[in-house]
Amino acid sequence: EPEVTQTPSHQVTQMGQEVILRCVPISNHLYFYWYRQILGQKVEFLVSFYNNEISEKSEIFDDQFSVERPDGSNFTLKIRSTKLEDSAMYFCASSAGGQPQHFGDGTRLSIL
Amino acid sequence: AQSVAQPEDQVNVAEGNPLTVKCTYSVSGNPYLFWYVQYPNRGLQFLLKYITGDNLVKGSYGFEAEFNKSQTSFHLKKPSALVSDSALYFCAVRDMGEGNTGKLIFGQGTTLQVKP
Repeated sequence: EPEVTQTPSHQVTQMGQEVILRCVPISNHLYFYWYRQILGQKVEFLVSFYNNEISEKSEIFDDQFSVERPDGSNFTLKIRSTKLEDSAMYFCASSAGGQPQHFGDGTRLSIL
Repeated sequence: AQSVAQPEDQVNVAEGNPLTVKCTYSVSGNPYLFWYVQYPNRGLQFLLKYITGDNLVKGSYGFEAEFNKSQTSFHLKKPSALVSDSALYFCAVRDMGEGNTGKLIFGQGTTLQVKP
């Protein structure tokens, strides 16, 4: 069964540095999402992406965040200047429109 | 605003016994409801969904869920629990608000512990 893959599985970064989290969605999916899960808390929506543009973003998704689909397969989340509170698990998800979202295994981001 | 609540942080059940993980929701309009399971160090894995139709929905690994419109609930059930069912379970509702981007709104999660 096709899967959403995320790299790296764990990223450790100094505060203030930029990070890029990478995702390869399922190939025939058209809708892409990023969520995050701070340790011990619920999964929160960050951003949705469709037709090469952001379709919705949450209050968390401020100017330090950006997403890109640089080619036909990758979907990236960039955090420009990381803060301690950005430490979390970041999940990528994709769907084929009206179908359940499929999630990757996540990237654990640790900001020091 | 749409929301999902899972009133129990943890549910403990003995192997072989039936299990129920509770979920209530608040939406405007008809809800699209989902259950996901998360094993340690893994992503969320889809179990089942309710869109319309029968109130009892069957999903993966023997799980089912009962949609109850009057009680605004969507409880996850399994007739006979396995130790391997021990995991973190999330109920979610698809946001059907303006834009309808399909984002999911999650409950806070319930840890299911099945003891041998």
